[in-house]
Amino acid sequence: EPEVTQTPSHQVTQMGQEVILRCVPISNHLYFYWYRQILGQKVEFLVSFYNNEISEKSEIFDDQFSVERPDGSNFTLKIRSTKLEDSAMYFCASVRATDNSPLHFGNGTRLTVT
Amino acid sequence: AQSVAQPEDQVNVAEGNPLTVKCTYSVSGNPYLFWYVQYPNRGLQFLLKYITGDNLVKGSYGFEAEFNKSQTSFHLKKPSALVSDSALYFCAVRRNQAGTALIFGKGTTLSVSS
Repeated sequence: EPEVTQTPSHQVTQMGQEVILRCVPISNHLYFYWYRQILGQKVEFLVSFYNNEISEKSEIFDDQFSVERPDGSNFTLKIRSTKLEDSAMYFCASVRATDNSPLHFGNGTRLTVT
Repeated sequence: AQSVAQPEDQVNVAEGNPLTVKCTYSVSGNPYLFWYVQYPNRGLQFLLKYITGDNLVKGSYGFEAEFNKSQTSFHLKKPSALVSDSALYFCAVRRNQAGTALIFGKGTTLSVSS
């Protein structure tokens, strides 16, 4: 069964540095999402992306964050200047189309900001 | 705004006993409701969904959920719990609009003892 893949599985960075988290959604999916989960806590919506543009974003997704689909397969989340409170698991998800198929999640990237 | 509440941080049940994990929702219009499960260091896995039709929906691993419109609830149930069901369970809701993001509850840890 096709999967959403995320790299790296763990990223350690220093405060103030830029990080890029990478995702490869399932190939025939059209909607893409980033969520984050602070250790063992609630899964929070960050942003959704469709047709090469942001379709929804939460108040968490401020100017420090950006998303991009640089080619036909990758979907990236960039944090420009990381803060300690950005430490979390970041999950990418994708869904096929306009039906009610469930989101498929990757296994996440654990971001640790020191 | 749409939201989901999971009133219990943790549910403890003995193996073989029935289990219920509670969820209530708030959304304008008709809700699309989902349950996901998360095992340690993994992404979220889809269990079941309610879109329309029968109020009792059946999903993976013997789980089912009952949609109750008057109580705005969507409780997850299983007639006989297994130790392997121990995990973090998330209820989620989205608006009746294609591609819109899922909003998750804070999660309930299910612990099944042998």
